Amino acid sequence: RKEVEQDPGPFNVPEGATVAFNCTYSNSASQSFFWYRQDCRKEPKLLMSVYSSGNEDGRFTAQLNRASQYISLLIRDSKLSDSATYLCVASGNTGKLIFGQGTTLQVKP
Amino acid sequence: GAGVSQTPSNKVTEKGKYVELRCDPISGHTALYWYRQSLGQGPEFLIYFQGTGAADDSGLPNDRFFAVRPEGSVSTLKIQRTERGDSAVYLCASSPSGGGGQAFFGQGTRLTVV
Repeated sequence: RKEVEQDPGPFNVPEGATVAFNCTYSNSASQSFFWYRQDCRKEPKLLMSVYSSGNEDGRFTAQLNRASQYISLLIRDSKLSDSATYLCVASGNTGKLIFGQGTTLQVKP
Repeated sequence: GAGVSQTPSNKVTEKGKYVELRCDPISGHTALYWYRQSLGQGPEFLIYFQGTGAADDSGLPNDRFFAVRPEGSVSTLKIQRTERGDSAVYLCASSPSGGGGQAFFGQGTRLTVV
């Protein structure tokens, strides 16, 4: 079983839609959680950190549920420019960062 | 300011050859990570340095892979006796302090073993 699991998608949504991605992690000792965004043939870039209290940045909301070891990302009012792969990340015991497979989002006009 | 720099950006090598991939982290960042990424997959963890020492090398697939960071800055990933299955994008990232903090990635080295 992978340490961080995501549904690879693809998710195909129209502009303006709300879309949610989920992720689970297996290491209950993980302390830090992030969502990264990766455009085609580019390096991953931090989208936002994830906290138990929730974290909102404009149209993006991230949530952590430690009891269920579950992380979510909600994107409201999707834009064409949101099309990318979204990577869920959890820290390991030693501080290393473990990435999920990524979920591909395609926003259509 | 300067980000994480990786060289070369592309490397084609013959099966069985030795390759070195270089990573220049952001100045002052103590943590440095190596990952490799295949098409359609997320970055796969290889090794994580805190300063000069490897804090976690559990992701190195076998003893053909080795990485160093002798002065706590630049790191080199070394692959011996390359195999076609080693073909991937090798990503380097650095972080101000590690320990699970935000990491900044370089643009990667695309390695092709023919």
